[in-house]
Amino acid sequence: AQSVTQLGSHVSVSEGALVLLRCNYSSSVPPYLFWYVQYPNQGLQLLLKYTTGATLVKGINGFEAEFKKSETSFHLTKPSAHMSDAAEYFCAVRRAAGNKLTFGGGTRVLVKP
Amino acid sequence: DGGITQSPKYLFRKEGQNVTLSCEQNLNHDAMYWYRQDPGQGLRLIYYSQIVNDFQKGDIAEGYSVSREKKESFPLTVTSAQKNPTAFYLCASSIAATNEKLFFGSGTQLSVL
Repeated sequence: AQSVTQLGSHVSVSEGALVLLRCNYSSSVPPYLFWYVQYPNQGLQLLLKYTTGATLVKGINGFEAEFKKSETSFHLTKPSAHMSDAAEYFCAVRRAAGNKLTFGGGTRVLVKP
Repeated sequence: DGGITQSPKYLFRKEGQNVTLSCEQNLNHDAMYWYRQDPGQGLRLIYYSQIVNDFQKGDIAEGYSVSREKKESFPLTVTSAQKNPTAFYLCASSIAATNEKLFFGSGTQLSVL
């Protein structure tokens, strides 16, 4: 079985400040890891993904995430928050040979001017 | 434009009533999925279909039913057996079941009268 834990259901950052969203996973086999973003009343969009290879993954909109196997983590960061980053962010995990995504509970980001 | 269309955007169900949520995609994707989103719980998989005329139960299939008679369509019926149907329902698709990139519709908000 696999599971995903996102620390903090809400995060508030000032515009221009660092955004850090935490994600830890449990998986019995090497996982594929994802971050999705959801804007109000919309579906989810893929921000970035880790499958194999380089552990630092760069995504859209200036976000990046680092896979740390020893810490079973896949935290999402952005150096400088923009007002348009206000949204809900979901971490997800899938077994490499599987076909089902397991999502975390989500973290809602508020950006203050 | 290619994409996934969910309808209606808002739906109300009376006690004892079955309701059907529509999901259509013109991306020529083989795999389609239904997720339920509740605040703080992330997305939970209801049903998924890897190919036409085939579908499997997800993690919370009780009280729901689906069909996949056409590649582009994957309707979800919320039956009267689902005692807590109020939620945001998201449909998604991917090129194949093992493909990690999901494309999401904009969702249907179902509420109970």
